[in-house]
Amino acid sequence: SSELTQDPTVSVALGQRVRITCQGDSLRTYYASWYQQKPGQAPVLVIYGRNSRPSGIPDRFSASTSGITASLTITGARVEDEADYYCATRDSSVNRLIFGTGTTVTVL
Amino acid sequence: QVHLVQSGAEVKKPGSSVKVSCKASEDTFSTYAFSWVRQAPGQGPEWMGGIIPALGRTNFAQKFRGRVALTTDESMTTAYMELISLTSEDTAVYYCAQGAYDSRGYYYGILDYWGQGTLVTVSS
Repeated sequence: SSELTQDPTVSVALGQRVRITCQGDSLRTYYASWYQQKPGQAPVLVIYGRNSRPSGIPDRFSASTSGITASLTITGARVEDEADYYCATRDSSVNRLIFGTGTTVTVL
Repeated sequence: QVHLVQSGAEVKKPGSSVKVSCKASEDTFSTYAFSWVRQAPGQGPEWMGGIIPALGRTNFAQKFRGRVALTTDESMTTAYMELISLTSEDTAVYYCAQGAYDSRGYYYGILDYWGQGTLVTVSS
């Protein structure tokens, strides 16, 4: 399968750590990129490659990969981190991009 | 620094077509591939296809093949997405995004810059 599966919802206490996972066969070959999307806004790239952050993304965001599972970790969650998070990667069989099903993060 | 600026919202009748534009900055137009991504209400993003201006190459998700056309105008540093035979299921926000590609023209799966999105509503 070339799909990417994420848990629909995750909650985290303010200041704590939360991990969001993304599973898919293509992740065995390619890294995931991660996007944060707040209501009414375009997605924003927060992590790409093995564990790289674009300029302006705080270092509380980090990523890792093991087998077919990619993870995005927020260490020290803030209220402004409440958003939908999507993973994405390139399909290992076809020249296309695929997105994960998305995870809504709630900061309590 | 705004990289991608899209055209405004559209309201279309079923069976018609829509063309969305995406103006890029001059320093990124030929360097990156353009991807078009749509997001239906309450749903996640869906990659529709992409175009690499420097290679003149397009790729499409199977679902949209034959119904979407992607073009670019280098003189205007603008990319276009045209979707035909619209139905109510095409009601969505359409985004253009830019990302790198490799020497074979394969997308890296990283979308660095996104437009603000264009809402297309299909309704009779």
